This record gives sequence, structure tokens and C-alpha cells, in this order.
Amino acid sequence: AQSVTQLDSQVPVFEEAPVELRCNYSSSVSVYLFWYVQYPNQGLQLLLKYLSGSTLVESINGFEAEFNKSQTSFHLRKPSVHISDTAEYFCAVVNTGTASKLTFGTGTRLQVTL
Amino acid sequence: DTGVSQDPRHKITKRGQNVTFRCDPISEHNRLYWYRQTLGQGPEFLTYFQNEAQLEKSRLLSDRFSAERPKGSFSTLEIQRTEQGDSAMYLCASSPIQGGGEQFFGPGTRLTVL
Repeated sequence: AQSVTQLDSQVPVFEEAPVELRCNYSSSVSVYLFWYVQYPNQGLQLLLKYLSGSTLVESINGFEAEFNKSQTSFHLRKPSVHISDTAEYFCAVVNTGTASKLTFGTGTRLQVTL
Repeated sequence: DTGVSQDPRHKITKRGQNVTFRCDPISEHNRLYWYRQTLGQGPEFLTYFQNEAQLEKSRLLSDRFSAERPKGSFSTLEIQRTEQGDSAMYLCASSPIQGGGEQFFGPGTRLTVL
């Protein structure tokens, strides 16, 4: 079984400031890792994913996440946030063997203000 | 639009009534998943299909819940004798079998049980 912990339920930040959203996971098997974003009244959209290879993965809108196997973490970072980044962010994992059900964290609400 | 679609987007019902939701996955995706999301929580896995076969059901899925995917295309999720605790967002997702576990989500059906 897997579990995902997102310790920060809310992260307030000013526009153009850097941000880090933390994600730690627990699993007895190897996992793939994901960050999904949910804008108000919309479904979940994949932001970025780690399957294998380079431990640093990037999204097209400036977010990046680094897989740290020893710390079982997959923190999400952005060097300079924009108002439009305001959303709920979910970290998720899936068993690499079955690649079936996702296990999600409880989410982090990123609130960007001027 | 070739994304995942769900119908209805909103459903208000009285306790004790039956409700049925529909999900149309991305056409070439073999796998279809149902999740439930309550306020302040991440999505929780309910069940998934590979083609028409239901391969896994969560212990969260009580006997009042049933899901079908009769022809391996669209799926329905039925809740019988609804209870107030069933109020939640019901999310559908789909994925190809080979894809590294990435799932594509629909907009969800928000259920309110009065």
C-alpha cells in the first residue's frame, strides 16, 4: 500500500515570490510520482510526472519537482509565481508494477496575492 | 473535444433516492477509473475497469455502489439509497494500459444529498 503526505494545507505567497509545496510518500514498492493541479470548478490536470531517469522534472509553465528516493519526497517548486497559479495542488503516486490506481495526498491550496 | 466527459455535472437528490452518473473516457483508453473527492481531501480511489472487466474495487465502495462498463467504452456509477455522507465530487479518469500510470480526469459530477 502507498500513502502520500502533503503537510501544508494552505500556502499563501505574494506574486513573483518563490514557492515550494512539499510532498512525501510511503510505499513498499517502487512508484511513479505525479503532481496534479485543480483550478476552481475544474477537473484535475497533470502538471508533471516522474517515471524514471533524471530526478528533476519540469512543466511547461515553470514548475519543477525533484524526486528524492532517500527522503521519499517529490517537492514542487516554482521560482516566481503568478496570480494565475492560484489553485489546489495534489501529489499522487502509483505502483509501477500495476500502474493502476492513484493514491493522492490531501492537497495544498496555493493562494497567490499581489 | 476528445477529453474525458462526465454527465451530469451537478446532481441534487433527496436521501434514499438512487442516482446514476455517466463517464465517457478518451476513446482509445482501455482503463477507466472512478474516484470520490470530499471537501478538503484528495481524490480517493473507488474502482477501475480494464476494457469491460472490473479489476479492483475499494473497500470504500459499499454495497449501495455499483459500477459498470458494459462494452468497454463508457461507464456508469450508480448509488442506491443515497445518504448524506455520499455528498461529494465523483471523478472519472481514463488511461491507456501502457502509459506510465498517467490518468486523464473529467470535470467531475458534484452530488448533493439533502
